[in-house]
Amino acid sequence: EPEVTQTPSHQVTQMGQEVILRCVPISNHLYFYWYRQILGQKVEFLVSFYNNEISEKSEIFDDQFSVERPDGSNFTLKIRSTKLEDSAMYFCASSLDRPPLYEQYFGPGTRLTVT
Amino acid sequence: GENVEQHPSTLSVQEGDSAVIKCTYSDSASNYFPWYKQELGKGPQLIIDIRSNVGEKKDQRIAVTLNKTAKHFSLHITETQPEDSAVYFCAASMHFGNEKLTFGTGTRLTIIP
Repeated sequence: EPEVTQTPSHQVTQMGQEVILRCVPISNHLYFYWYRQILGQKVEFLVSFYNNEISEKSEIFDDQFSVERPDGSNFTLKIRSTKLEDSAMYFCASSLDRPPLYEQYFGPGTRLTVT
Repeated sequence: GENVEQHPSTLSVQEGDSAVIKCTYSDSASNYFPWYKQELGKGPQLIIDIRSNVGEKKDQRIAVTLNKTAKHFSLHITETQPEDSAVYFCAASMHFGNEKLTFGTGTRLTIIP
C-alpha cells in the first residue's frame, strides 16, 4: 500500500540553525501539507501546497518557514533560523484531491529537537 | 476560525466493552469530519470519516455519528481489543477553499485485558 515517507525520523539542531525536513508524498497525490504536534498537544496545521504554490498557511507559518517541491517527488519544509519553540513532531500529509473529496494521509513524522 | 473540542482526554475500557469519544466543533460551515488513530511513534492514521450529508457511518467495529444541529460528532468502538489502545483524534474541515484539518486535543484510549 502506498504511503507517505519522511526523513529524517529525528533531527537535533542548535537554536538559530537552518533545518530542512523532507517528505515523499504518495506518488499520484496532488495536495501536500505540513502539520506539527508539540509534545502532548494537538496536531496543528502549518501549510498546504498545490500546483507548486502555497494554498493556505496558518499564523504559525511565518517568514522563517518555507516549503518547496524541488523535483516532482520530494516535498520539503525549511525552517531558516530555528527557535526553541520549534521543537515538535512535524508531519507531512498528502491527498489525491482537495478534501473533503479525498482523505489526507500522514507520514510517520520527523521529531525536531532544538537545543 | 474553527475550534474542535474533544472529550474525554483519557479513557480506559475493559476488553470487549465499547468506547465512545465525543467532539464538538464551532464553525457550522465545516462538513467533513475524519477520525485518526495515532500509535506510539507513528503518524496519524485515518480510520473513518463522515461527511455532513449523512448522520452515521459504520465500518465493522467502528462507527461515527454526526449531529449537525448540535455541532457534535462521536466515535464508537465496539468489542474493543488490546490493539485498539492508541490516541484518537477527531478533526473538522470545510468544503472548498479551506483544506486544512482542525484537530481535537486527542483521547488516549487504553484497553484493559
